[in-house]
Amino acid sequence: NAGVTQTPKFQVLKTGQSMTLQCAQDMNHEYMSWYRQDPGMGLRLIHYSVGAGITDQGEVPNGYNVSRSTTEDFPLRLLSAAPSQTSVYFCASSYSLRSVDTQYFGPGTRLTVL
Amino acid sequence: DQQVKQNSPSLSVQEGRISILNCDYTNSMFDYFLWYKKYPAEGPTFLISISSIKDKNEDGRFTVFLNKSAKHLSLHIVPSQPGDSAVYFCAARYRVPYGGATNKLIFGTGTLLAVQP
Repeated sequence: NAGVTQTPKFQVLKTGQSMTLQCAQDMNHEYMSWYRQDPGMGLRLIHYSVGAGITDQGEVPNGYNVSRSTTEDFPLRLLSAAPSQTSVYFCASSYSLRSVDTQYFGPGTRLTVL
Repeated sequence: DQQVKQNSPSLSVQEGRISILNCDYTNSMFDYFLWYKKYPAEGPTFLISISSIKDKNEDGRFTVFLNKSAKHLSLHIVPSQPGDSAVYFCAARYRVPYGGATNKLIFGTGTLLAVQP
């Protein structure tokens, strides 16, 4: 198993550009989520999905879109990047909503918006 | 408003000694607490957890203590090893109604532990 994979590892954008952060898991997990980590802020939940076709907002959803067309993939879209979105982004997955102990995180994408 | 707080950004400990990492929370609706460990350029990995109905959980060198009246939890690592050097995050989960479930976690800001050989 590759676990949770994220691409790219690093990305630099200009203000106003759009991009998609990719996340994939090969563990047949129902639950997937996106977090951002900022200095002095810990990890904050952006969006999450409890299964294909079902998504919902987390703590800090503004400026981000998600979709879940397959069980394996959960991309995060930035439609118009802003400097405030400079952060490290982590994708996570778990078998179900009840398996919070076994939530696996990807290695992260470091995004800089100039 | 930070609902889960780790007031020590860093901690340095000698190899073989005890490491104690602390975490405070403000919301009495949290029912489950977790500790994650994070190495540079990697995602967090689950370390140990505790339910709010317990006051202690032990797993090898790692023990988590929960003091609900003080809204405080701590992670003890004994003995500390250089490989334990990492950032440690505590996280809390909201209580959900009976039969419900959630994986939504509130994370603290992290404590960087350095274990000196």
